[in-house]
Amino acid sequence: AQKITQTQPGMFVQEKEAVTLDCTYDTSDPSYGLFWYKQPSSGEMIFLIYQGSYDQQNATEGRYSLNFQKARKSANLVISASQLGDSAMYFCAMGEGQTQGGSEKLVFGKGTKLTVNP
Amino acid sequence: DADVTQTPRNRITKTGKRIMLECSQTKGHDRMYWYRQDPGLGLRLIYYSFDVKDINKGEISDGYSVSRQAQAKFSLSLESAIPNQTALYFCATSGFRDRASDDEQFFGPGTRLTVL
Repeated sequence: AQKITQTQPGMFVQEKEAVTLDCTYDTSDPSYGLFWYKQPSSGEMIFLIYQGSYDQQNATEGRYSLNFQKARKSANLVISASQLGDSAMYFCAMGEGQTQGGSEKLVFGKGTKLTVNP
Repeated sequence: DADVTQTPRNRITKTGKRIMLECSQTKGHDRMYWYRQDPGLGLRLIYYSFDVKDINKGEISDGYSVSRQAQAKFSLSLESAIPNQTALYFCATSGFRDRASDDEQFFGPGTRLTVL
């Protein structure tokens, strides 16, 4: 079974509008972390935002926020005031498999391609 | 200078050739990872290592081997390359953290490998 599901292969948004990218996850670990990465057409992976399973508040980083709904096992990325430079692939990932000092590895979703239109 | 470097950045090779992709990091991290990315499939873990003496298979290790030569270096080898190993390969690192779930990974720029 897939541990990270991103149901939107592609999304379109108008410049300056907000957009939500969906991510649902599956784990039985009580302690886990959720990450979002951006991959522009140049190929590099850029870390955007992190949410811990015990965090009480939703994470925010500038124009990025994470809508964390633990009971629904969802961790949607919200990008406010979209810019043309936001056009990219976006990957949701989960860290699980607890060992001392951190989780063993990240499991990635298949990604959502976001296109920002002028 | 980049914290995580990969060489080569691009490589075209032929079926049956042995290929080595190299990764170096200056972040002082113990944990290193190799992923491959295929269109529509996201990133899949090939191998990972928590220290020099530790090597673990990931989701898709068949056809690959790795070597952790030092804390800072982690190499991926394709002993006999085949066309379906054509992909974008990423090396990543992460460090020891206080919180069990707090382990952002830092990625290298990727190596684009084409096997003809």
